[in-house]
Amino acid sequence: NAGVTQTPKFQVLKTGQSMTLQCAQDMNHNSMYWYRQDPGMGLRLIYYSASEGTTDKGEVPNGYNVSRLNKREFSLRLESAAPSQTSVYFCASRAGQGAQETQYFGPGTRLLVL
Amino acid sequence: GESVGLHLPTLSVQEGDNSIINCAYSNSASDYFIWYKQESGKGPQFIIDIRSNMDKRQGQRVTVLLNKTVKHLSLQIAATQPGDSAVYFCAENNYGQNFVFGPGTRLSVLP
Repeated sequence: NAGVTQTPKFQVLKTGQSMTLQCAQDMNHNSMYWYRQDPGMGLRLIYYSASEGTTDKGEVPNGYNVSRLNKREFSLRLESAAPSQTSVYFCASRAGQGAQETQYFGPGTRLLVL
Repeated sequence: GESVGLHLPTLSVQEGDNSIINCAYSNSASDYFIWYKQESGKGPQFIIDIRSNMDKRQGQRVTVLLNKTVKHLSLQIAATQPGDSAVYFCAENNYGQNFVFGPGTRLSVLP
């Protein structure tokens, strides 16, 4: 039981390049999330998927797209990377919608955009 | 407590002492709260949670206190150990999908 896994761990991009961050969970959770974390700030929600087949914008969706590929996998795509997207990206999952349960986080992807 | 800007507040405690980390939450309708621990280079890790119908909950060496009157949450760590050094942050939820996270407090344990 690996929990939430993310790939890659580190990535360096040039401005304008594209990339996809991968996330998978093996806990049979319905909900999945993408956050970014910047120095001195709390986690900010980019997109979430309450259940397979649905996705919704969070607080900071601009410049990103997501795909809920199946119940296990939720990917985050940067179509044209910008330096402002330099951050640490965390994927999380949670059992149910509206449930008073915690989210479980992956180890993060550290992205540097030059 | 919470902070604005790039610098996290830091709490330095002596090994073996008790630590108290504070959090002011924003939404009086929030009904569920979590404390997370984040070690350097890792993802946040669940420590303890509390529902709004409670004002105290205890775990192993940790206690969370909730004061809904002043919208304040605290995390108490007993007999702080070097392995407790990390950033701690709170999160609130209002019967919904999404959590709101505080920026965190850095706990530094002195030998």
